[in-house]
Amino acid sequence: SQQGEEDPQALSIQEGENATMNCSYKTSINNLQWYRQNSGRGLVHLILIRSNEREKHSGRLRVTLDTSKKSSSLLITASRAADTASYFCATEKNFGNEKLTFGTGTRLTIIP
Amino acid sequence: DAMVIQNPRYQVTQFGKPVTLSCSQTLNHNVMYWYQQKSSQAPKLLFHYYDKDFNNEADTPDNFQSRRPNTSFCFLDIRSPGLGDAAMYLCATSKIAGEKQYFGPGTRLTVT
Repeated sequence: SQQGEEDPQALSIQEGENATMNCSYKTSINNLQWYRQNSGRGLVHLILIRSNEREKHSGRLRVTLDTSKKSSSLLITASRAADTASYFCATEKNFGNEKLTFGTGTRLTIIP
Repeated sequence: DAMVIQNPRYQVTQFGKPVTLSCSQTLNHNVMYWYQQKSSQAPKLLFHYYDKDFNNEADTPDNFQSRRPNTSFCFLDIRSPGLGDAAMYLCATSKIAGEKQYFGPGTRLTVT
């Protein structure tokens, strides 16, 4: 069953602008991860945030986690054309048999 | 470079003709996963192995089977492919279950 819902489903912005994507989930989690997928390719892990963490940074990426609202956001600053991809959140549920459930994804297009 | 390799990248099979997809890894990870991803959808977990322990998702059709003869290799067998099985099949590994996953490039399966 779908654990995560992402918002928006699609996002187009100008190169250099910031992009924000949101993920909501339904049950308590151990961690939440963000992945990027270029068209027709495999997924690439971006960042993992644990349930006891509130914010994490990696380069131009900033992830926040609000467990009280069961939501997370991914911010990409100073976007580049190469950031064009689909972005998925994935959650590892508490007592979830150590597997990930992926959200519906956000299709990000960076306009040069 | 350590990686996850999937062969073939593109596979065409006929309706009802058995097909096997393969995955190998040089990461020496204990956990291996098979996902099915249809166009514009989230990856859906079919099954995973923790070492040799096989874990089947409740909604994975019986038509899908898997083998893991050793740590490095994992196979996905589709016994009688239907048109609805056309999808991208993604293999992934992780060192620790529920943590960061490393994905292969995927095999695009077409059923004619």
